[in-house]
Amino acid sequence: EVQLVQSGAELKKPGESLKISCKGLGFTFTHWIGWVRQMPGKGLEWMGNIYPGDSETRYSPSFQGQVTISVDRSISTAYLQWKRLKASDSAMYYCARQDDSGSFEFDYWGQGTLVTVSS
Amino acid sequence: DIQMTQSPSSVSTSVGDRVTISCRASQGIDRWLAWYQQKPGKAPKLLISEASTLQSGVPSRFSGSGSGTHFTLTISSLQPEDFATYYCQQADSFPLTFGGGTKVEIK
Repeated sequence: EVQLVQSGAELKKPGESLKISCKGLGFTFTHWIGWVRQMPGKGLEWMGNIYPGDSETRYSPSFQGQVTISVDRSISTAYLQWKRLKASDSAMYYCARQDDSGSFEFDYWGQGTLVTVSS
Repeated sequence: DIQMTQSPSSVSTSVGDRVTISCRASQGIDRWLAWYQQKPGKAPKLLISEASTLQSGVPSRFSGSGSGTHFTLTISSLQPEDFATYYCQQADSFPLTFGGGTKVEIK
């Protein structure tokens, strides 16, 4: 069974760093993995994708330079990282797998990681 | 960037009704369009890929159509479990973009 298992909820202070994870189970970790933000009561925003095969990364212009997406293929895990959190980073973050049909839809999603940034 | 515009933003409807949701792309994306369903507190679920391909396990009352810049998601006879928010996403090129969502509510 294909699963994406994300790390648990985080409560951080502004200015702190954070790295959340997304572990792939039940499939060969060679699919593009994406990260999607959902702010409270709002819609879905694509942040970026990474291809575990060669770590090629694509970012949304809105998130370029604000976050870093990385992968450790040896443990089938993708990461989303912030160097200095802001209160506006408070949101639910989902990782998702893109299927291998050649188009860029997300066929499996993680359960989400809630990030709260508050002083 | 390709902008995705969904309409309506919300619709109040009843069990058994037919519901149609529209999604327009700011430029042509062939048939590279996906539809998702999201229920409160849950991750989105892929319903339809490539504009009209129903995912395994998705009820046949869901259907998708369109190509180029105009797409439609139709629920032929709304069931209680279909009350949710629906999103379109262009799957053509980076940066990937989602529509703003359509909330289907109980009248």
